[in-house]
Amino acid sequence: DIQMTQSPSSLSASVGDRVTITCRASQSISSYLNWYQQKPGKAPKLLIYAASSLQSGVPSRFSGSGSGTDFTLTISSLQPEDFATYYCQQSYSTPPTFGQGTRLEIK
Amino acid sequence: QVQLVQSGAEVKKPGASVKVSCKASGYTFTSYGISWVRQAPGQGLEWMGWISAYNGNTNYAQKLQGRVTMTTDTSTSTAYMELRSLRSDDTAVYYCARGANYVYWGQGTLVTVSS
Repeated sequence: DIQMTQSPSSLSASVGDRVTITCRASQSISSYLNWYQQKPGKAPKLLIYAASSLQSGVPSRFSGSGSGTDFTLTISSLQPEDFATYYCQQSYSTPPTFGQGTRLEIK
Repeated sequence: QVQLVQSGAEVKKPGASVKVSCKASGYTFTSYGISWVRQAPGQGLEWMGWISAYNGNTNYAQKLQGRVTMTTDTSTSTAYMELRSLRSDDTAVYYCARGANYVYWGQGTLVTVSS
């Protein structure tokens, strides 16, 4: 199975900050990388697919980049509603696997 | 609009079975597979498996082989996930999601395994 490792595991930031979360795959996954946002008690929400494509309806302050084994999710200017947990997920091979999550907290 | 509506919370004893349903609406059910993902309390997301709503083909996570069965009922556009021989570490919220890129999710079903 492909292992996905996110860093950091948690992050404190302020409204208006620029934030970057990193995801590393244990082998090359080309651009088969998705990012999700999850709020407490809710299902995950797809933000970015294919490493850099913005899902419909997702604000443009979210962006993704990378290919191969190293990927990043960037939030350009944090808004209050962005405080949540973020997961990366590879869809290159079965089983699809998720990172352990990055909890984004208010500073 | 696409909706996936799951069955309600369950409390089960160790060794029992649970069957969670996921009723789809707003799209042609047989055009997409259904994946099942679970999340233990305070933990991350774990893929459990996938079923084709077109022909019933399945693909299960290795660690659940032999304990999980996924089925569909095309007459009611409903997918089911049955997990047997429940253990305490099966306590989790169970989600269904449409297709391979998980744009649409059910609301989640909490399954608690406790004696």
